[in-house]
Order: sequence, then structure tokens, then C-alpha cells
Amino acid sequence: GQQVMQIPQYQHVQEGEDFTTYCNSSTTLSNIQWYKQRPGGHPVFLIQLVKSGEVKKQKRLTFQFGEAKKNSSLHITATQTTDVGTYFCHGNQFYFGTGTSLTVIP
Amino acid sequence: ETGVTQSPTHLIKTRGQQVTLRCSSQSGHNTVSWYQQALGQGPQFIFQYYREEENGRGNFPPRFSGLQFPNYSSELNVNALELDDSALYLCASSPTENYGYTFGSGTRLTVV
Repeated sequence: GQQVMQIPQYQHVQEGEDFTTYCNSSTTLSNIQWYKQRPGGHPVFLIQLVKSGEVKKQKRLTFQFGEAKKNSSLHITATQTTDVGTYFCHGNQFYFGTGTSLTVIP
Repeated sequence: ETGVTQSPTHLIKTRGQQVTLRCSSQSGHNTVSWYQQALGQGPQFIFQYYREEENGRGNFPPRFSGLQFPNYSSELNVNALELDDSALYLCASSPTENYGYTFGSGTRLTVV
């Protein structure tokens, strides 16, 4: 099946630092979705991007969709302990990315 | 909104047995997908149903099968259970095929 890679796999940051995860697809995506999964929980939908070059913001979170619609990023400004979890991108209807696990050190 | 409900929450089965997991989709959602998530891994796509028809299938053997009912609830059946089938099984529903999914809390299956 299709593979959507995410980097980094793990990220440890001090509280207050910024965090970015990148999602890369080998094929063009019709849309991309981002999810957050807290430890022991289930994925929770954050946002969907559809247009080439689209940028959306949710408070401290900024989501971008690449011009070629093959990559995307999620940037968190000034991380908080509540941001802890694994962030997944989800492209082309079925497949999740490999995920980035974020640890925030108080 | 009632959200997505999965049952049971936990299950222990013996290798070789069969299991049925159930999912009640969020009201108004006609698309349901099932995922398998092993510990420390990302969700792996099993299959998707749209208006009672299978709409896509991941790289899982035929002993993984499913159904979606007219009320859009669904079930996942796994035959001839293997130890590696131990995982969290997640059901997710969506109002259309290309929209954000609402996930249930999952069924934790342990095969011994």
C-alpha cells in the first residue's frame, strides 16, 4: 500500500520550545488530515487541508500543505505539557503516516 | 451526537478462535474504516465501507472480513486468530469518504 512517512519519529522538547513534524508522500495527495493521539487514547481529528499551499492555524498549531500536495507540516509554537502525544498525518483516504511522538519536558 | 461506540472494550481469545468486534458509527456518518494498532505503532488500515459496500482494503489476509449495516453500524470479523492479531482495533466513521474521521475508543484484543 501507499506509504506516508513522517519525521522525526520521536521528539523531546523543553516546555516552551517549538515543535515541527513533517509528512512526506511518494504520491500526490488529494487532501491531508492531521490527528493527535494521547498515550492510551485514540486518534482525534485536528484538521484537514485540501488546497495546494494551504496554511491553517489553530491557536498555537500551524498546518501547511505543500505546493505539490506531496508533503505537509504541523508546527506547534511554545509547546505545553498538554501537547504530549503522537501526531499522525493521514492522506489519500486510507493511510496514516508513521507518526511523530512528542514528549514535552516541564 | 453520540460519537463512535465500540464493543467490547477488551477481549481475550485463544489462538485459532474467531472474534467479532462491533462499531456504532456517529449519527449521519455513512463511511466507516477499521484500523489495527499494535503497541507503539501507528494505525494500520484494514478496510473501509461506504454505504454498505467495501470501498478499500489494506494489506490484511482474507480472514479479516467486515460488514456495514443499513443503519451504518459495522463489524469486523477475524477468523483463525493468531498471536500477532493482538492489538487495539479502532473503528472510525466519517460523513463522507474524504472528511475527518471520528474514532471510537477501540477494542483491545489479546490472543493467547
